[in-house]
Amino acid sequence: DTAVSQTPKYLVTQMGNDKSIKCEQNLGHDTMYWYKQDSKKFLKIMFSYNNKELIINETVPNRFSPKSPDKAHLNLHINSLELGDSAVYFCASSPLLAGVGTDTQYFGPGTRLTVL
Amino acid sequence: KNEVEQSPQNLTAQEGEFITINCSYSVGISALHWLQQHPGGGIVSLFMLSSGKKKHGRLIATINIQEKHSSLHITASHPRDSAVYICAVGWGVQKLVFGQGTRLTINP
Repeated sequence: DTAVSQTPKYLVTQMGNDKSIKCEQNLGHDTMYWYKQDSKKFLKIMFSYNNKELIINETVPNRFSPKSPDKAHLNLHINSLELGDSAVYFCASSPLLAGVGTDTQYFGPGTRLTVL
Repeated sequence: KNEVEQSPQNLTAQEGEFITINCSYSVGISALHWLQQHPGGGIVSLFMLSSGKKKHGRLIATINIQEKHSSLHITASHPRDSAVYICAVGWGVQKLVFGQGTRLTINP
């Protein structure tokens, strides 16, 4: 009964490729997020989606595009992958239509992306 | 300078010791979060607080809004508490900023 799941867990790919990471939550939450954790373990928010509407884009390159087919899914598409995209990407969800910083979040297990 | 600073960055202690991790921030906030990242990488939300104090088992989180400071305490620490503890602050609708994390190691 995984609450927030991500696939794949590991992704190794060549520079220039296009890849996607999928995220699903079965908690009935309204809001979902994507975070990037770099090699120094620093977490940064990338996107937030509320009821399929983008409400945050934290200066992320437009090679990254979130896609939300429904409230339970938020996928991350990355075009023209670069070496600097190597990181762990976490999906998360939270219950309410609240500000991004004001609600408890539930995290997925992470996807480790390695760009060669 | 990051808007959220944690101290210490690394902490090693013996089993049973009382642990304190500090978080200072420089902006007015709506809420402060404490997260735990296990050695395997998974992240768990421990607390969200906007005032006062919260307790869950051996974990206690406090926040002083005037001083822009929060502490996470662990009583009777155990090796399974070994993890990275991350402070994050949120304000408005579109801001959530994370500290750099504190790596805690509890030796048996």
